[in-house]
Formats: sequence, C-alpha cells, structure tokens
Amino acid sequence: NAGVTQTPKFQVLKTGQSMTLQCAQDMNHEYMSWYRQDPGMGLRLIHYSVGAGITDQGEVPNGYNVSRSTTEDFPLRLLSAAPSQTSVYFCASSLTQNTEAFFGQGTRLTVV
Amino acid sequence: GQQVMQIPQYQHVQEGEDFTTYCNSSTTLSNIQWYKQRPGGHPVFLIQLVKSGEVKKQKRLTFQFGEAKKNSSLHITATQTTDVGTYFCAPVTGANNLFFGTGTRLTVIP
Repeated sequence: NAGVTQTPKFQVLKTGQSMTLQCAQDMNHEYMSWYRQDPGMGLRLIHYSVGAGITDQGEVPNGYNVSRSTTEDFPLRLLSAAPSQTSVYFCASSLTQNTEAFFGQGTRLTVV
Repeated sequence: GQQVMQIPQYQHVQEGEDFTTYCNSSTTLSNIQWYKQRPGGHPVFLIQLVKSGEVKKQKRLTFQFGEAKKNSSLHITATQTTDVGTYFCAPVTGANNLFFGTGTRLTVIP
C-alpha cells in the first residue's frame, strides 16, 4: 500500500503561473482534503471532498480549485500563483470527515 | 472554524524531562485527535479520544480528554530525542471537518 502520494515534492513558480498539485490514495477512502501549512499557523483546510463528484470549500479556498472525478485522485489547482501561496501543501485522506487522516509527504511550493 | 488554542507554542526540554501540551476549545467537542509531525515530515496520527474524561496511554505518551470535552492534553514522560517534532491537536465538533491547532514544537536537548 502506497497510502497517499503527492507530486511534486518541490516546485518553484513565477507569479501568475498556474499549476496542479497531484494527490492519489489507494485506501479507497471517501474523504480527501487539502491543507496548507505556514509557520505559526498550523494546518489550514483549503478544500475537501466527501466522495467522487463532490467538493467543498474549507477555511482558505481563494485562489485554488479542486475536482474529484475518481475516488483515488484529488488534484489541487493554483489558477494564478501569488507569493502569498508560498507554503507547504498536504493532501490527506480518511474514511470519513473526522476519522484518522493519512497525509501525503507534502509539496513545498515557492512563488517568486 | 473552531476557536482552538494550543499551548505552549514552543517547548525546549532536557532529555529525560517531562513534557505536556494542552489544547483548549471554546466549544464542546465530539472527539479530538492528536498528530505528530517530525521536522520536514508530514503529520502522523497518534490517537483519537472520544469519551468524557478518557485517558489513553501509548508507552511514554499519555493522552487525556477533559470531563467537559472542551480540552485535552498530551503528556510525554522522560522525553527522548526521538520525541522531537510538532504535536498538533485536531478537535472535532459534530460532523465537521478536521481542523488543527497551531501546534506545539518540542525540542529535546541531549
């Protein structure tokens, strides 16, 4: 079992560029989510999905889009990168919204 | 989101000393989870507490859930260098999503 796989591990973007952070899980979990982690801020929820075809906004959704076409995959899209989006991004999956979450290894994104 | 305070923000201890971090919520929780994140790593689930007054132990780690289900603590006895990292509480109300506290970063001095 690979668990939760995130790619890429590192990324540098220029302001205004777009990109997609990939997340895949092989545990057949219905619930998937994206967090960003900034120093002193803990983990903040960006978007989440309770199942294929269903997504919703978390605490800090602005500037990000998600889709959930399959149970396994939950990509996060940055539409027009801004320096404020420099952060470490974590994807997580779990059986339900508030059960044990399994995290990917993270993507360290720098926007210059 | 919920109003969650986790204290202290940082803690430096000598190896062998005890360590405690506290998580306080303004609302009654249905359950609370604890996670550990090693430096440069990702959060890893430690435990979930559900019942009022619950106490659970994992080797040198003791987790408590308050009687009113508004606060929780994690206590580590006789810290080791392998305990280094940031400890997050993740309180849950009802069927809401998992929100995380700001974490307590533990440094263990050999």
